Amino acid sequence: AQTVTQSQPEMSVQEAETVTLSCTYDTSESDYYLFWYKQPPSRQMILVIRQEAYKQQNATENRFSVNFQKAAKSFSLKISDSQLGDAAMYFCAYTRNGNNDMRFGAGTRLTVKP
Amino acid sequence: GAVVSQHPSWVICKSGTSVKIECRSLDFQATTMFWYRQFPKQSLMLMATSNEGSKATYEQGVEKDKFLINHASLTLSTLTVTSAHPEDSSFYICSARALASWDNEQFFGPGTRLTVL
Repeated sequence: AQTVTQSQPEMSVQEAETVTLSCTYDTSESDYYLFWYKQPPSRQMILVIRQEAYKQQNATENRFSVNFQKAAKSFSLKISDSQLGDAAMYFCAYTRNGNNDMRFGAGTRLTVKP
Repeated sequence: GAVVSQHPSWVICKSGTSVKIECRSLDFQATTMFWYRQFPKQSLMLMATSNEGSKATYEQGVEKDKFLINHASLTLSTLTVTSAHPEDSSFYICSARALASWDNEQFFGPGTRLTVL
């Protein structure tokens, strides 16, 4: 079974600083996708960034980037120049190619201090 | 972008009654829709996966007779909580996977808060 682990229940960062959220996963598959979702207080799930396992290049979306280490099964999210609006729960998610199920980690609550 | 709506956004009902929650993909066709349950300060727990025109697939431990799912079209899925009890109070989130999706991305609805008195 695929599992996703987020070992940091809470993280905090100073505004304008950089923070990294950790995620590891367990799978025997080689073809899969990884996602980071943000859930603000409104509880609407928002896609932050995605990574295809077959791509070696780390995905980047503006201030958000990932460090994808396939051999280590690690998928961390780096938020640069943190903004107050980045405060939210962040969930790491895994889905296997051809399989619809998406598995989520327990989440990391990010606080941004002004 | 792809938009998924849920209705109602919140509902309060008496114990023993049934509640229906609708999930709609507004600007795309969804081959598959998913229903999640989220308790306070916890992650999303997949309850069931529904494909248009076929029976839903329930996760282990989820009572299919209690949580009835209907996926009548490519844009609508409904979750009915039958004979609701206070322990069914939770935040229910639906998501949809587009017909043309290449990476299994799911688009999420805004959620429905159910409170059973």
